[in-house]
Amino acid sequence: QVQLQESGPGLVKPSETLSLTCTVSGGSISSYYWSWIRQPPGKGLEWIGYFSNSGSTKYNPSLKSRVSISEDTSKNQFSLKLNSVTAADTAVYYCTRGKYGSGAAEYWGQGALVTVSS
Amino acid sequence: DIQMTQSPSSLSASVGDRVTITCRASQSISSYLNWYQQKPGKAPKLLIYAASSLQSGVPSRFSGSGSGTDFTLTITSLQPEDFATYYCQQSYSAPFTFGQGANLEIK
Repeated sequence: QVQLQESGPGLVKPSETLSLTCTVSGGSISSYYWSWIRQPPGKGLEWIGYFSNSGSTKYNPSLKSRVSISEDTSKNQFSLKLNSVTAADTAVYYCTRGKYGSGAAEYWGQGALVTVSS
Repeated sequence: DIQMTQSPSSLSASVGDRVTITCRASQSISSYLNWYQQKPGKAPKLLIYAASSLQSGVPSRFSGSGSGTDFTLTITSLQPEDFATYYCQQSYSAPFTFGQGANLEIK
C-alpha cells in the first residue's frame, strides 16, 4: 500500500523559506505525478504544483516565483520549498500521488501544519 | 486559470436522503473532473475521477456525471459517515483548481 508522510518545521518566520519533505513508501517516485496541495485553516484546497516521472514540473502561477518542487529518488522523497513566506502561507500542506491518466490525487499524506509567525 | 464553482456551498440532509452537488467549470474541461470527500482534521479522500469513475473501495451510493463544463456528484441513501465537505477539482489544465467546497450537514 502506498503511503506518504510529510515532514518539516511547523513554524516558519515571515520572509523565510518554508521547506517540507514527503517520504513515500510502497511505491517508487520514479513513476506517476507527485503534487503538493495546501489548505489554510478553515478554508478550501489550493493546488501548489507537481512533478512527473517524465521530468516535467508545473506550478500554480499564483506562487510560481516563490515555489519549487524537487525529487530525491535515492531516498524516495520529494520536497517543497516556498520562499518569502507571509502569514497567508499558513496552511496544512499535503503531498499527494496522482492517479495515472486522470490527474486526480489518489493517495494523500496526513498533512503538515505550517504556521508563519515571528 | 480555470475557475470551478460548486453549488450549493452548504446543505443539510437526513440519513437516507438523496443529495446532488453540482460543479461548473469556467471553460470546457472534457471529463477531467474529480470529486473528494474531506472530514474534519483529515486529508481529502478521492471518490470519483474522470467525472464518473468510482475510485476503488468507494461505496456505490456515490456517483458522478457530466462533461464539458457541468458536473454532478450524487449520493443516494445518505449514511451517517457521509456528512462531510465535498470538493470538485479539474485536472484538465494546470493549475488544477478546486471548487470552494460543499459542506453537507445533518438535518
